[in-house]
Amino acid sequence: DAGVTQSPTHLIKTRGQQVTLRCSPKSGHDTVSWYQQALGQGPQFIFQYYEEEERQRGNFPDRFSGHQFPNYSSELNVNALLLGDSALYLCASSFLLGQRKEKLFFGSGTQLSVL
Amino acid sequence: AQKITQTQPGMFVQEKEAVTLDCTYDTSDQSYGLFWYKQPSSGEMIFLIYQGSYDEQNATEGRYSLNFQKARKSANLVISASQLGDSAMYFCAMREGQGNTGFQKLVFGTGTRLLVSP
Repeated sequence: DAGVTQSPTHLIKTRGQQVTLRCSPKSGHDTVSWYQQALGQGPQFIFQYYEEEERQRGNFPDRFSGHQFPNYSSELNVNALLLGDSALYLCASSFLLGQRKEKLFFGSGTQLSVL
Repeated sequence: AQKITQTQPGMFVQEKEAVTLDCTYDTSDQSYGLFWYKQPSSGEMIFLIYQGSYDEQNATEGRYSLNFQKARKSANLVISASQLGDSAMYFCAMREGQGNTGFQKLVFGTGTRLLVSP
């Protein structure tokens, strides 16, 4: 049973460019969340997708957008990249209506470097 | 707003000894969940243990136990019989609600780096 898979593992971009990160959730999961983890910090919630719609959003600008596909996989898009967008981007999946002990399953992340 | 505080940037422990990683939290909700995750150098966040705010007993998962003191708003992780493979970053996180009504958003602390020496 494959866990959460993310691609690519590493990415280097320059300021002003656009980037797309991809995530395939754990088999059977219907909800995908994205987190940004800056160096030396804990992950911060970006947004969550269910039924192909953004259901909840953290404190991130509109430059961050996403998409969920019918097979539950998801993309994170960041436009007009800034140096401060350099971080590890983590994808997590879960059941929407899971049991109260339901934990998020995380992928290994995409390390984005903006030069 | 929810907040998680981990005051120990780094901890050292010898193999086979026990270690406690501190976590305090702040929330105005009565219903919430607390998690501990381990992050090795590979980057993946690995679930360790969960404690619900209404759980009467402290959670245990193998060598991991959670020392939950609700009045003090603390949820410390205890790792017994440390192993070399326990060396990693450890994050405490909180989720509002009991998690069975829909969307899950976790708020994380800044983490504690644990080094286990032979």
